[in-house]
Amino acid sequence: AQSVTQLDSHVSVSEGTPVLLRCNYSSSYSPSLFWYVQHPNKGLQLLLKYTSAATLVKGINGFEAEFKKSETSFHLTKPSAHMSDAAEYFCVVKGSSNTGKLIFGQGTTLQVKP
Amino acid sequence: DAGITQSPRHKVTETGTPVTLRCHQTENHRYMYWYRQDPGHGLRLIHYSYGVKDTDKGEVSDGYSVSRSKTEDFLLTLESATSSQTSVYFCAVARGEYFNEQFFGPGTRLTVL
Repeated sequence: AQSVTQLDSHVSVSEGTPVLLRCNYSSSYSPSLFWYVQHPNKGLQLLLKYTSAATLVKGINGFEAEFKKSETSFHLTKPSAHMSDAAEYFCVVKGSSNTGKLIFGQGTTLQVKP
Repeated sequence: DAGITQSPRHKVTETGTPVTLRCHQTENHRYMYWYRQDPGHGLRLIHYSYGVKDTDKGEVSDGYSVSRSKTEDFLLTLESATSSQTSVYFCAVARGEYFNEQFFGPGTRLTVL
C-alpha cells in the first residue's frame, strides 16, 4: 500500500532564507507524487507533481522537489522564502488503482518570519 | 479552480439531523471526490465517483453516503450527523493523463453541535 510521511509538522524560516519541507513515501511500485499548498482558510492548490519523468520537478512560485528513489524521498525546496509562502503544505501519493485516489501526508505548517 | 463550487460554505447543525453538501463542477470531469480535513490527518477520502451513478467508498466512508445523478453534481449526505463529523469538507475533480491531477473546491466548514 502507498503512504507518505511528512517528517516535520511545523517549519519556521526567516524571509529570504531557504525552505526545506521533508517527505518520505512508501510504494510498491513507481509512484506519482505531488505537493499541494493550502493558505489559511483557502482550498488546496497543486504546487508540483512527479510522474516518472525528470526526477527534479519544478513547480509554481519558485518551488521544486527532487524524487530520490534510493532514499524514498520527495522533499520540497525553495531557495528564498517569501512572506506569502506561509501556509500548510501536503505531500501526496497517488493510490494504486486507476481511480486517481490520493493519499495525503499529515501536513507541514510553514511559518515565515520577517 | 477547475470550475468547482461547493454549497453551503458554512453550516452549523445539531446531532442527529441529516445534512447534504453539494459539489458542482462546470468542466464535465468524470472523476469526483469528497474528502474531509481534520488537524493532524491531512485530507482523507470519504467517497468518490467515476461517472453518473458510479460511486465507491474511500477510507472514512462510515456515516456518509453519496449520489451522482448528473455529471456536474456530486452530493455528500450525512444521514444522522454526529459531533465527530465536524470537519472541513473538500470536493475535488481529477483531470489530466491518467487522472493525475486533482483540483479542489473552496471547502465547506461543517459544525455539528
